[in-house]
Amino acid sequence: GAVVSQHPSWVICKSGTSVKIECRSLDFQATTMFWYRQFPKQSLMLMATSNEGSKATYEQGVEKDKFLINHASLTLSTLTVTSAHPEDSSFYICSATGSTGYTFGSGTRLTVV
Amino acid sequence: KQEVTQIPAALSVPEGENLVLNCSFTDSAIYNLQWFRQDHGKGLTSLLLIQSSQREQTSGRLNASLDKSSGRSTLYIAASQPGDSATYLCAKPESGAGSYQLTFGKGTKLSVIP
Repeated sequence: GAVVSQHPSWVICKSGTSVKIECRSLDFQATTMFWYRQFPKQSLMLMATSNEGSKATYEQGVEKDKFLINHASLTLSTLTVTSAHPEDSSFYICSATGSTGYTFGSGTRLTVV
Repeated sequence: KQEVTQIPAALSVPEGENLVLNCSFTDSAIYNLQWFRQDHGKGLTSLLLIQSSQREQTSGRLNASLDKSSGRSTLYIAASQPGDSATYLCAKPESGAGSYQLTFGKGTKLSVIP
């Protein structure tokens, strides 16, 4: 079945630094990828929709200059959290659409200290 | 923007019991509805995908139904096991041409007690 690989699974960084999260579709081409954020005991909230070869579409309230999304190929999308702050600490999950519906990565736990 | 509601928020049952998780949505226009499982601190695993033309889908001990007219879906788990303990999320795409954005419910946290 469709597999989406997300790395890293967890990362701790200092305030003010940047962190890059990668999301790869391993056995299918993902024209569209989605990035979600999940706070404790909350559901997934869509941050942005990433389309291969074009600019990402951000949801209201999500700073595009802070959360940089690049979707340079049909199998790779990256999310870079720039100048991270403690309030950015969260669980980030990517998703891609395929023939069997939505496939999710395993998530990245980001802790900013 | 549509809302997806899941009831109950948490459920604790003894092993072997059959149980039903509920999901309701405000936007009756539906393309499909998907149920996911999320283990603590992990990503999502797709359980069942029901297309709008279908009324139910089955996979092993899981059965998901879809009632478009009432805006509801249920996930039925038969003979529950401790390994079923997880948070179960339902999600449906936003309606609209070309839209694939999913709206998630807050999930039902299931605990199956041995």
